[in-house]
Amino acid sequence: KAGVTQTPRYLIKTRGQQVTLSCSPISGHRSVSWYQQTPGQGLQFLFEYFSETQRNKGNFPGRFSGRQFSNSRSEMNVSTLELGDSALYLCASSLAGTGKVGTEAFFGQGTRLTVV
Amino acid sequence: AQTVTQSQPEMSVQEAETVTLSCTYDTSESDYYLFWYKQPPSRQMILVIRQEAYKQQNATENRFSVNFQKAAKSFSLKISDSQLGDAAMYFCAYDNAGKSTFGDGTTLTVKP
Repeated sequence: KAGVTQTPRYLIKTRGQQVTLSCSPISGHRSVSWYQQTPGQGLQFLFEYFSETQRNKGNFPGRFSGRQFSNSRSEMNVSTLELGDSALYLCASSLAGTGKVGTEAFFGQGTRLTVV
Repeated sequence: AQTVTQSQPEMSVQEAETVTLSCTYDTSESDYYLFWYKQPPSRQMILVIRQEAYKQQNATENRFSVNFQKAAKSFSLKISDSQLGDAAMYFCAYDNAGKSTFGDGTTLTVKP
């Protein structure tokens, strides 16, 4: 079974630009969560999608958005990039979400975004 | 809001020895899950062990076990017979209704 795939692996963008990151979950997984990982802030929850609906949202500004398609693939978009958005963005998929059923989250290798 | 605190940014252990990583959390919920994840250098994060809050019995996975103290809101990870491959950053995570909160992580070094 293929794991969680995130593309691209590395990305360099300029301040003010926008970026779209992609995540393909494990086949059969319907929940996809996104996280931002930085040395100073640790791992911060962005949002979770389940069956094409955003089910949970972290405390990030509206510049961060996402969506999920019918095949459970998910995209995350960041508009008007700021230097502080430089981070490793991790995507995790699970069967039904980790919250109520405690299912394991499988993480991708992440997309390293650098904003210059 | 839920918070997760890992008070040890770095820990080291001698190979074959035992080490305990600390984690405390704050929540007003009674039903939730707790996880320990491991993130080796430049590699994917993987689940080490999970604990259901309504279960009193501490979870165990081979050399990994937890000490779950619900009243104290404490969830420590014990690694027995430490191996070089255990070197990684370890994250404690709390999850309720799909919204996850992670601690800042503990970097574990294993000395040969």
